[in-house]
Amino acid sequence: GAVVSQHPSRVICKSGTSVKIECRSLDFQATTMFWYRQFPKQSLMLMATSNEGSKATYEQGVEKDKFLINHASLTLSTLTVTSAHPEDSSFYICSVNRDRGSPLHFGNGTRLTVT
Amino acid sequence: SQQGEEDPQALSIQEGENATMNCSYKTSINNLQWYRQNSGRGLVHLILIRSNEREKHSGRLRVTLDTSKKSSSLLITASRAADTASYFCATDAYSSASKIIFGSGTRLSIRP
Repeated sequence: GAVVSQHPSRVICKSGTSVKIECRSLDFQATTMFWYRQFPKQSLMLMATSNEGSKATYEQGVEKDKFLINHASLTLSTLTVTSAHPEDSSFYICSVNRDRGSPLHFGNGTRLTVT
Repeated sequence: SQQGEEDPQALSIQEGENATMNCSYKTSINNLQWYRQNSGRGLVHLILIRSNEREKHSGRLRVTLDTSKKSSSLLITASRAADTASYFCATDAYSSASKIIFGSGTRLSIRP
């Protein structure tokens, strides 16, 4: 069965609105979760590492005020795209792993379209 | 930033043929992983090879790792139409094993 549940799978929103994406670890507690972004026919770009109980670690070039990450429990991390613009339209995917260096388990992704 | 590059970017072969994809990376690693992604979906882990390993097999998959050249290859033997997908290599940075960075990917198409 699925190890990671990501919701919603698809969302369309208007410019200026905020969108929240949830990522749940179903099989084990995850102190760390990873958020990736993927443009069409391109690779996954790591946006940030979500840390349970503390601030997320953002990759260079990713605006922390734009992409708010909350990891309030050991099984749930949320990514909120604030004041979304059309250029934020993308495929967002979360992932978790049991231990550092072990394989990642991915959610099915969220296709965000900002009109 | 991306850790590595893959080649080819796209590969189209006949069903039954073997498919080889290559990955190069830049920094020292603890391990290298290969993932598969069907269009519009999340990624699925295929195989992990540790930095002290040179070759690993899993079913029709064979992975090699050459740490001196900072490169890896994924071979899929006796390809099937269902193997059509994008394949990515991913590495953890030796200095930060919690972070996994993906290569640029190879889009594989299997012609029936």
